[in-house]
Amino acid sequence: GQNIDQPTEMTATEGAIVQINCTYQTSGFNGLFWYQQHAGEAPTFLSYNVLDGLEEKGRFSSFLSRSKGYSYLLLKELQMKDSASYLCAVGGGATNKLIFGTGTLLAVQP
Amino acid sequence: DGGITQSPKYLFRKEGQNVTLSCEQNLNHDAMYWYRQDPGQGLRLIYYSQIVNDFQKGDIAEGYSVSREKKESFPLTVTSAQKNPTAFYLCASGAGTASYEQYFGPGTRLTVT
Repeated sequence: GQNIDQPTEMTATEGAIVQINCTYQTSGFNGLFWYQQHAGEAPTFLSYNVLDGLEEKGRFSSFLSRSKGYSYLLLKELQMKDSASYLCAVGGGATNKLIFGTGTLLAVQP
Repeated sequence: DGGITQSPKYLFRKEGQNVTLSCEQNLNHDAMYWYRQDPGQGLRLIYYSQIVNDFQKGDIAEGYSVSREKKESFPLTVTSAQKNPTAFYLCASGAGTASYEQYFGPGTRLTVT
């Protein structure tokens, strides 16, 4: 079967660093995506990993280990506006479909 | 500006009525997708289309129908057969076979009473 797991909720402090983990089991793999979604809004693209290793983009970094079926999103220098849901999604199979996790709701506190 | 539009932002309907949600994109993307999002749940795929005049059922297609007569447009009809239609509906598009990245519209929140 296809399964993506990520924590339901996390809390962190403004200015700190937080790591959101995602584990996956899918029948195919064509890359792992992280999206940010503020309440009531559309998801917006954050990062894409298809090869093992770390991809850094400003305050956000994403890591992938294909052999372990594992990824994490690292957010540095947290700001209040980073309070949002973070969705992990895997591209699988030959039909360009993304399989989404349930999302991790991050609350950044002062 | 290029992007995806969905209208309206909020939609209210009485139970037993069909309702059509609009999705338009000017990104020249081949693929388009409809998702449903419920509180505490991830995005669930309703229907997707990889090319004009062709579409496939996703994981939760029952009670929904779509059409893809134009590349730019992929409307979703929520029929009276859908037992729990109240949800946040998101449309997305992607370049298709060249890419798995998807771009999302602003969403339509449908409330059926």
